[in-house]
Amino acid sequence: AQTVTQSQPEMSVQEAETVTLSCTYDTSESNYYLFWYKQPPSRQMILVIRQEAYKQQNATENRFSVNFQKAAKSFSLKISDSQLGDTAMYFCAFMKQGTTPRHFGAGTRLTVKP
Amino acid sequence: DVKVTQSSRYLVKRTGEKVFLECVQDMDHENMFWYRQDPGLGLRLIYFSYDVKMKEKGDIPEGYSVSREKKERFSLILESASTNQTSMYLCASTTLRLVPQETQYFGPGTRLLVL
Repeated sequence: AQTVTQSQPEMSVQEAETVTLSCTYDTSESNYYLFWYKQPPSRQMILVIRQEAYKQQNATENRFSVNFQKAAKSFSLKISDSQLGDTAMYFCAFMKQGTTPRHFGAGTRLTVKP
Repeated sequence: DVKVTQSSRYLVKRTGEKVFLECVQDMDHENMFWYRQDPGLGLRLIYFSYDVKMKEKGDIPEGYSVSREKKERFSLILESASTNQTSMYLCASTTLRLVPQETQYFGPGTRLLVL
C-alpha cells in the first residue's frame, strides 16, 4: 500500500526567506507521479508542481522547486523568496501511473509572516 | 482555464437528512472525483467516475452514493446524514486528452456541518 507522510503539521517563515516542506512516501512501484498542491485559505486547491518518477531532474516552477530523492522516497518542496500569498495548506500527493489519485499527505499549514 | 464549481460553500443539515452535493466542471473532463478533507487526515477518496453513468468506490464509500447522469456533473449523496460526516468535501476532475493527464483540478469545496 502507498502512504504519504508530511511530518510538519505547521510551519512559518518570514517574508522573502526560504522554506522547505518535507514529504516522504512509501511504495514498491517504479512508475509514479508526485505532486504538491496548495490550498489557500477559503480558496481552491491548485497544483504547485509535479514530478515524474522516471525523471532524474528536479522539477522547478518559478520560486517553487522540489528535491526528489527516489531511493530515499523523499519529495520536499522548497519555496524561495516567500510571499504573503504563499500562506496556505500544502498537500503532498502520490499517484501510481495509470491509477486513481488517492494518496495524499495530511498537509502542512504554512504561514508567511511580514 | 478549467473551472470546477460546487453548489454550496457552506451547508448545515440535520442528522438523518438526505444531502446532495453538486459538482460541475466546464472543460469536458472524463474523470471526476469526490474527496473529504479532515484535519490531520488529508484527502480521502470517497467515489470517482470515469464516464457518464459509471462510478467506482473509493476508500471510504460507506454512507455515500454518487450520480453521474451528465458528463459535466457529478453529485455526491449522503443518504442519511450523520454527525461523523461533518467535513469539507472536495470535488476534482481530470482529462485523458491532455498531457499531463494526471493533474487534478479542484472545486472550492463544500463545508458541511451535520447537527
